[in-house]
Amino acid sequence: DSGVTQTPKHLITATGQRVTLRCSPRSGDLSVYWYQQSLDQGLQFLIQYYNGEERAKGNILERFSAQQFPDLHSELNLSSLELGDSALYFCASSTTVEQFFGPGTRLTVL
Amino acid sequence: AQSVAQPEDQVNVAEGNPLTVKCTYSVSGNPYLFWYVQYPNRGLQFLLKYITGDNLVKGSYGFEAEFNKSQTSFHLKKPSALVSDSALYFCAVLSSNDYKLSFGAGTTVTVRA
Repeated sequence: DSGVTQTPKHLITATGQRVTLRCSPRSGDLSVYWYQQSLDQGLQFLIQYYNGEERAKGNILERFSAQQFPDLHSELNLSSLELGDSALYFCASSTTVEQFFGPGTRLTVL
Repeated sequence: AQSVAQPEDQVNVAEGNPLTVKCTYSVSGNPYLFWYVQYPNRGLQFLLKYITGDNLVKGSYGFEAEFNKSQTSFHLKKPSALVSDSALYFCAVLSSNDYKLSFGAGTTVTVRA
């Protein structure tokens, strides 16, 4: 158990809908990262927050957004969902350089 | 921009034999290198890291990795593989310039009894 929690574990929704994925980092970690894992794209870095501020952006679509709250939990919002957004979404947190990953949220868009 | 190559999609070994999973990287700035393992329907588990210092790094579950700067490689090794080592292994690199973590495509390791 990494200490990073993610909810929900599974999410099934329809195209065009909007969903919110939630992540609680390990105690004391200020950095939160979001990743997307799909069969065709592999593991892709989406975005990083540090103590509430956006620090780095990766391959994140404009339809996706994230934020980190004062209690350091983070949410990833996915809107106007498409079939191709079906994937595993991971959150990770860190204090130093190594990142610790949550169990992921499996999103299925029908 | 940094990148990671894992040239083998699959590695198959017999239990008790040595296991090697290959990784090469490209990065500007000093590399921070990592290995993660993913079991089915689970998140990634951190195995080991290279930041600086000794080129041979020891990690969890008996795994080790050797940093080779001239060959830009960071191969993962285990002297004697177990069936329970069967999983998906990811190599990752983080640049000291922008701290973005880039992953390789992953190598599926199968250890047969």
